[in-house]
Amino acid sequence: RKEVEQDPGPFNVPEGATVAFNCTYSNSASQSFFWYRQDCRKEPKLLMSVYSSGNEDGRFTAQLNRASQYISLLIRDSKLSDSATYLCVVNREQAGTALIFGKGTTLSVSS
Amino acid sequence: DGGITQSPKYLFRKEGQNVTLSCEQNLNHDAMYWYRQDPGQGLRLIYYSQIVNDFQKGDIAEGYSVSREKKESFPLTVTSAQKNPTAFYLCASSRFRDGNQPQHFGDGTRLSIL
Repeated sequence: RKEVEQDPGPFNVPEGATVAFNCTYSNSASQSFFWYRQDCRKEPKLLMSVYSSGNEDGRFTAQLNRASQYISLLIRDSKLSDSATYLCVVNREQAGTALIFGKGTTLSVSS
Repeated sequence: DGGITQSPKYLFRKEGQNVTLSCEQNLNHDAMYWYRQDPGQGLRLIYYSQIVNDFQKGDIAEGYSVSREKKESFPLTVTSAQKNPTAFYLCASSRFRDGNQPQHFGDGTRLSIL
């Protein structure tokens, strides 16, 4: 099993659609989880941290299922500006700072 | 403004040449990282440092070297031993403590072979 695995997509959706991305991770001892967004030829930017209880930031909802080692990101009411690659990120060691980045899921929102 | 500055934005390397990529941060972060990203690929960890004067190899350290003489600076040298250096190089930093500590990135350096 890969350390962090994502469906590469692309996901092509119309504006206003709801879209969900999934991610699985292999290290059951992982403690820190994040979603990053990366635009074409740009650096990754933190979208949101993922907490055990699940968390929401505007149109974005992240959820964590530790038992299944599964993270999800839900985007509601998609905007054209949401078009990007979304990276699932997990910490490498239980208390360390190094992170493992998934290869990303590409989202394309069209009008 | 606080942030991470990478320079240069574009760099060209001749065969047999060593080149150094600069990374400076004024976020007072303890930990710094170097990643490499190839087209259509994920980020791969080259080196990281959690404290001044100490650093660890990542997954693809061969052909690279780093130093961490100051908290603010973590330069990466791409040596002539790195046979396929063409890539997008990203530097990041984070606080060093337990719990959720995301990394923040500079805007990258694109390295190409002449």
